Amino acid sequence: GENVEQHPSTLSVQEGDSAVIKCTYSDSASNYFPWYKQELGKRPQLIIDIRSNVGEKKDQRIAVTLNKTAKHFSLHITETQPEDSAVYFCAARLVYQFYFGTGTSLTVIP
Amino acid sequence: NAGVTQTPKFRVLKTGQSMTLLCAQDMNHEYMYWYRQDPGMGLRLIHYSVGEGTTAKGEVPDGYNVSRLKKQNFLLGLESAAPSQTSVYFCASRDPGLAGMNEQFFGPGTRLTVL
Repeated sequence: GENVEQHPSTLSVQEGDSAVIKCTYSDSASNYFPWYKQELGKRPQLIIDIRSNVGEKKDQRIAVTLNKTAKHFSLHITETQPEDSAVYFCAARLVYQFYFGTGTSLTVIP
Repeated sequence: NAGVTQTPKFRVLKTGQSMTLLCAQDMNHEYMYWYRQDPGMGLRLIHYSVGEGTTAKGEVPDGYNVSRLKKQNFLLGLESAAPSQTSVYFCASRDPGLAGMNEQFFGPGTRLTVL
């Protein structure tokens, strides 16, 4: 199966700074990479995703980059705000299954 | 639309008891999934279904069974609960779409404690 590793496990940034979360995957057949935000006690919510035939995708303050050769993808959040504080998960889809990273707890300090 | 719903929201079991978790979706999605979420472990796939009457094992299927008798429902069963099955369980559904890239929609979760 697939193995997804995510770093860092915790991240603290000052409000207005950027945050970067990185993930690697092991199976080159994985072709879809979503990112989820999960607030305490809530369900995961999709915030951005990228397909394997795309190198970068941006949605306002959030961007994702994918390097298929190196098998890694990253989430970039610019101009962070306190409401960005949450746990973020990366995932990789291999055929029908999704494999998740272990999560990054992001704290934005006002 | 209610989206994806899960029943119950909370449950406490004693070791050896059985129970069934119900997931229902009203989006006519073909695919449905059951995950468990443990601290520091992310979400791990237990079982999934790619259509009515079909089921398949995920990463951590041991101790669980599933059934998809109707397209809108996906049931997760614990025949003999163990403390290691204490977790938060999330159901998800999605439509594969033209390129199979459509997002998953998650239910609100079921918090299960096994004593």
